[in-house]
Amino acid sequence: EVQLVESGGGLVQPGGSLRLSCAASGFTFSRYAMSWVRQAPGKGLEWVSGISGSGGSTYYADSVKGRLTISRDNSKNMMHLQMSSLRVEDTAVYYCAKFEAADTLGAFDIWGQGTMVTVSS
Amino acid sequence: EIVLTQSPGTLSLSPGERATLSCRASQSVSSSYLAWYQQKPGQAPRLLIYGASSRATGIPDRFSGSGSGTDFTLTISSLEPEDFAVYHCQQYGTSGLTFGGGTKVEIK
Repeated sequence: EVQLVESGGGLVQPGGSLRLSCAASGFTFSRYAMSWVRQAPGKGLEWVSGISGSGGSTYYADSVKGRLTISRDNSKNMMHLQMSSLRVEDTAVYYCAKFEAADTLGAFDIWGQGTMVTVSS
Repeated sequence: EIVLTQSPGTLSLSPGERATLSCRASQSVSSSYLAWYQQKPGQAPRLLIYGASSRATGIPDRFSGSGSGTDFTLTISSLEPEDFAVYHCQQYGTSGLTFGGGTKVEIK
């Protein structure tokens, strides 16, 4: 079964840091670009960051550039999102998502259950 | 950045009725990179349509997608009770990846 499981969310103060992880199983992880998508409470979906299958190319939304760093470890089928200088507006459920086509960006066919990040003093 | 505007914000319909959801882009979008998702409360989104008109695996044929350029449509031919949810469109282009604000389909 193809599955993505996120972990690492929690409560953090403004200006703080957090590291999210996504464990993948059931598919050849290294063949697929991956992404993080977030959803603030009661709001729509917002793409945050993406990474190519090899990890050699990374992509960021302007709203998070310079504060979030995406990475992956293909030997462990894991993806990470290092979050720093967090702001109240970063509060959201963060989803790990797999792109539908091999090593290209496009639609997301598999999503994790999400992990909640709350930035508050 | 391409802005996607979904309309209406909320659609109130009865089971068995036809639902027509719109997604309009601020610039032309390649049809290869227009997708639709369904999201129910407390759940992750589920891919319905990719490439503007291709149904994802396991998606019933009452869901169909159409459109090109800046205007795209998701149609649900006859609403089932499980179809009441929020629907999101999404595009990927050279200027990045964006989602629309969503359309809620609620029971009338």
